[in-house]
Amino acid sequence: SQTIHQWPATLVQPVGSPLSLECTVEGTSNPNLYWYRQAAGRGLQLLFYSVGIGQISSEVPQNLSASRPQDRQFILSSKKLLLSDSGFYLCAWSSGGPGTDTQYFGPGTRLTVL
Amino acid sequence: QKEVEQDPGPLSVPEGAIVSLNCTYSNSAFQYFMWYRQYSRKGPELLMYTYSSGNKEDGRFTAQVDKSSKYISLFIRDSQPSDSATYLCAMSPSGNTGKLIFGQGTTLQVKP
Repeated sequence: SQTIHQWPATLVQPVGSPLSLECTVEGTSNPNLYWYRQAAGRGLQLLFYSVGIGQISSEVPQNLSASRPQDRQFILSSKKLLLSDSGFYLCAWSSGGPGTDTQYFGPGTRLTVL
Repeated sequence: QKEVEQDPGPLSVPEGAIVSLNCTYSNSAFQYFMWYRQYSRKGPELLMYTYSSGNKEDGRFTAQVDKSSKYISLFIRDSQPSDSATYLCAMSPSGNTGKLIFGQGTTLQVKP
């Protein structure tokens, strides 16, 4: 069965510090991978998605970036965090085949920027 | 206007009640419809998946899609306190695009 991992679970960072969040998927190959941010009381905002190694699409201009160094690894980064980067960050995967829009989410990382 | 509208609630019901959660959408190209359940401080989990119009039932849960009205519903029968969570609708115009459009989520509280 497929499993998705995210770490860390919780992170408190000062403004201006760098960020690196990691997501890995087990039990599947060549998945589509996604990074979302969920602000308190708000819906899911798609930040990045990837259909393959090195293929990243950005949905929202911001000071965040994403990379996919391996097939089942997705990393969200920032060089300098802003207060507005606080939120709940979710990684998700889908199988990428026809009729497979269903996405499966990881446990999330709660980021607080102070 | 948002592509997907969902009443954020909160919705509070007594245990055993029938719950109706709804989303409306504006894009007639949407073909795939999903409901996710998200417990506090957890990632969303897939609850129901429906293609095109019609009903789908899974235990106490029924998903309904009315494409003519651009309206989808999730019904929960015999609601339990463990159903207390935020419910997110999501939809996609076609398979293999990989991108979902989410509603804001409805917070449900089932009181014992």
